[in-house]
Amino acid sequence: EDQVTQSPEALRLQEGESSSLNCSYTVSGLRGLFWYRQDPGKGPEFLFTLYSAGEEKEKERLKATLTKKESFLHITAPKPEDSATYLCAVLGGGADGLTFGKGTHLIIQP
Amino acid sequence: GAGVSQSPSNKVTEKGKDVELRCDPISGHTALYWYRQSLGQGLEFLIYFQGNSAPDKSGLPSDRFSAERTGGSVSTLTIQRTQQEDSAVYLCASSLLAGGETQYFGPGTRLLVL
Repeated sequence: EDQVTQSPEALRLQEGESSSLNCSYTVSGLRGLFWYRQDPGKGPEFLFTLYSAGEEKEKERLKATLTKKESFLHITAPKPEDSATYLCAVLGGGADGLTFGKGTHLIIQP
Repeated sequence: GAGVSQSPSNKVTEKGKDVELRCDPISGHTALYWYRQSLGQGLEFLIYFQGNSAPDKSGLPSDRFSAERTGGSVSTLTIQRTQQEDSAVYLCASSLLAGGETQYFGPGTRLLVL
């Protein structure tokens, strides 16, 4: 059974204070690891897809990396508008749908 | 272009009533997925459609849940004889193809069963 564990559950940072969110996973035959952002009352918004260990992707202040056991979402010099819940999900070899972690609730204080 | 749309955005119903939730995927996307997000829980995968193929229903929580996809496009998730534990946000997603393609989510339908 595919499993995803995200840490920390919640994180409060000052504006400009860089940090990283962790996503540990166990999966049989990884077909993709996905990062989403979810704002209150809205559906998840796609951020990144990673397919193989060593892969990295960047978008504005966000950078996602992938190893064989975990993924990190690095946030550089965050702004208050980066406050959201960040979700990590995997698609395993035997699965039809994504397996999600419970998310990291990120608050950026001005 | 237009994203995934879902209707209604909110639904309040009484225990025992049936409800229908609708999903309109991104045009051209062949794969469609339903998930459920309960308060304090992660997103839970329910069912997946690839084109017009018959879906695997094993992820549905109970036999009160059913889903169909007509013409390879719009999908309906039906919950019969709703129970209070069915209260959740029901999310639909679509992808261009299956098997590792990025899934794009709709805004969800917030269901409250009284």
